[in-house]
Amino acid sequence: DMKVTQMPRYLIKRMGENVLLECGQDMSHETMYWYRQDPGLGLQLIYISYDVDSNSEGDIPKGYRVSRKKREHFSLILDSAKTNQTSVYFCASSFTSAETLYFGSGTRLTVL
Amino acid sequence: QQKVQQSPESLIVPEGGMASLNCTSSDRNVDYFWWYRQRSGKSPKMLMAIFSNGEKEEGRFTVHLNKASLHTSLHIRDSQPSDSALYFCAVSASNSGTYQRFGTGTKLQVVP
Repeated sequence: DMKVTQMPRYLIKRMGENVLLECGQDMSHETMYWYRQDPGLGLQLIYISYDVDSNSEGDIPKGYRVSRKKREHFSLILDSAKTNQTSVYFCASSFTSAETLYFGSGTRLTVL
Repeated sequence: QQKVQQSPESLIVPEGGMASLNCTSSDRNVDYFWWYRQRSGKSPKMLMAIFSNGEKEEGRFTVHLNKASLHTSLHIRDSQPSDSALYFCAVSASNSGTYQRFGTGTKLQVVP
């Protein structure tokens, strides 16, 4: 069963704390993504990873960094979280960057 | 930043009616167009993709594409309450190293 798994589903952090969001996929997809979704803004790309250690900034990378050391895992890190990073974060994967995206179930992050 | 414009922002149609959603890209390099559906509290899932001029039909869903005007539309006939969701258009270029950029979505509500 093709799956993108995100952990955790819900997370509450205080401003200034570090945040780690994790994502895994079992489809051997080359490309993985982190998007954030805010009302009225749609899905905005934070980072894209074309393969292990081959990461590129998306449209809103400021305040985030990523790590991909294995093809099936892609992590999003917020160093010193800010209140404006409160959002729903989706991880996605695809065979290549020109193919259908498969999304995880999302992480709702609240930064107080 | 290139934009993906979707209209209308929200749409209410009666059960059994026709829903028409529109999407236009401002990036002349794109040539792949996608429609994703996101039900409330769930993650987006690819609904239909179209890469050539013309029309594509799958059941009650039809997509049109006019590459010259970078415009795609999604039409849902005989709309059902289960079609109520947020519909996103996404665009990408066919060359490698690009990624899908999403519009802000159309919220469709089908009322009995």
